[in-house]
Amino acid sequence: AQKITQTQPGMFVQEKEAVTLDCTYDTSDQSYGLFWYKQPSSGEMIFLIYQGSYDEQNATEGRYSLNFQKARKSANLVISASQLGDSAMYFCAMRASYGQNFVFGPGTRLSVLP
Amino acid sequence: GAVVSQHPSWVICKSGTSVKIECRSLDFQATTMFWYRQFPKQSLMLMATSNEGSKATYEQGVEKDKFLINHASLTLSTLTVTSAHPEDSSFYICSARVALAGVPSYNEQFFGPGTRLTVL
Repeated sequence: AQKITQTQPGMFVQEKEAVTLDCTYDTSDQSYGLFWYKQPSSGEMIFLIYQGSYDEQNATEGRYSLNFQKARKSANLVISASQLGDSAMYFCAMRASYGQNFVFGPGTRLSVLP
Repeated sequence: GAVVSQHPSWVICKSGTSVKIECRSLDFQATTMFWYRQFPKQSLMLMATSNEGSKATYEQGVEKDKFLINHASLTLSTLTVTSAHPEDSSFYICSARVALAGVPSYNEQFFGPGTRLTVL
């Protein structure tokens, strides 16, 4: 069975500073994808970044980067230069290959302080 | 990325009535659509998976007779909450996938904006 763990229910960060949101996963599959989504108060799920299990380099998308440590089964999201608009829920998710469904973590609520 | 729409964005209904929520993929054909439910301050919980033209596959604990899913075309899926009760009040999110199988990729699955259902 696949499982995503996010151990930080809530995080605070000062504006313009960097923050790391933790995500660990458990799967027996060799091929899988890891995703991070942002969910603001409006409810929409906004795709942030993706890491494939066979990707050798850590994914980056603008201010977002994914610290992928395959041996430790962790896929932490790093947000650099936090902005007030980054305040939201953040979900880590995984999908293994062969048509399996997304598995979501419990989420981390990030609050950016002015 | 591709666009998925949901209608309505919010709905308030009386207990005992049925509510239909539409999910459309606007600029692509979705081989598979998913319906999630999200309670306040909780994560998304998959309710069912539907493929166009076939019966939906429901997750354990989800009543198929209460949550009717129809996937009539490659761009439209509907979720009908029958005889809604206050405990059905939740945020319902649909998602559409362009590829059913294979190695996961970043641009394969897209989420709708969600529908907030309140049952009085």
